[in-house]
Amino acid sequence: GQQLNQSPQSMFIQEGEDVSMNCTSSSIFNTWLWYKQDPGEGPVLLIALYKAGELTSNGRLTAQFGITRKDSFLNISASIPSDVGIYFCAVRNDYKLSFGAGTTVTVRA
Amino acid sequence: EAGVVQSPRYKIIEKKQPVAFWCNPISGHNTLYWYLQNLGQGPELLIRYENEEAVDDSQLPKDRFSAERLKGVDSTLKIQPAELGDSAVYLCASSPDSTYEQYFGPGTRLTVT
Repeated sequence: GQQLNQSPQSMFIQEGEDVSMNCTSSSIFNTWLWYKQDPGEGPVLLIALYKAGELTSNGRLTAQFGITRKDSFLNISASIPSDVGIYFCAVRNDYKLSFGAGTTVTVRA
Repeated sequence: EAGVVQSPRYKIIEKKQPVAFWCNPISGHNTLYWYLQNLGQGPELLIRYENEEAVDDSQLPKDRFSAERLKGVDSTLKIQPAELGDSAVYLCASSPDSTYEQYFGPGTRLTVT
């Protein structure tokens, strides 16, 4: 399948911090998606991006669709403990989703 | 609105045994997907149904895996016989049709010993 490079692989957050993660591809895609997966649950769609350059927010989450259509980033502002989990970027080509390997977010002790 | 329902949530079996997973999609969703998620990776598509028709099963290992969606609503994914490498999470997703975003169920975590 399509390889998406997602970074960082993992990160530690402290409550109140802003955090950022990104995803790149060697190919152009017209739909970029961000999902969150909690332990023992399926991925939940957070934000969908359909237009190059588009900046979309969902509460404290903001995601941008790169102008080259080969990348996207996700920002979480003022992080809270329930933000922990695995964040996946994905691209959709027709009906097919291809996922990155995920960014694991945990709370810094 | 109820989400995608999957059962069982967890299953432990010995290798060479058969196993089946069940999925009930969101009401009205014509497209149903089965995904495989290995540890530390994102989900990978196994099969897609449009109503009762399997329109893409190119990634389904057909020597041991089979799926059905007889009435175009709920679906069953079967593995027979299971191998150690089949240990993973099996996710079901649905969408109104293939042009819409997909909604995932909680998954079935399979452990083959």
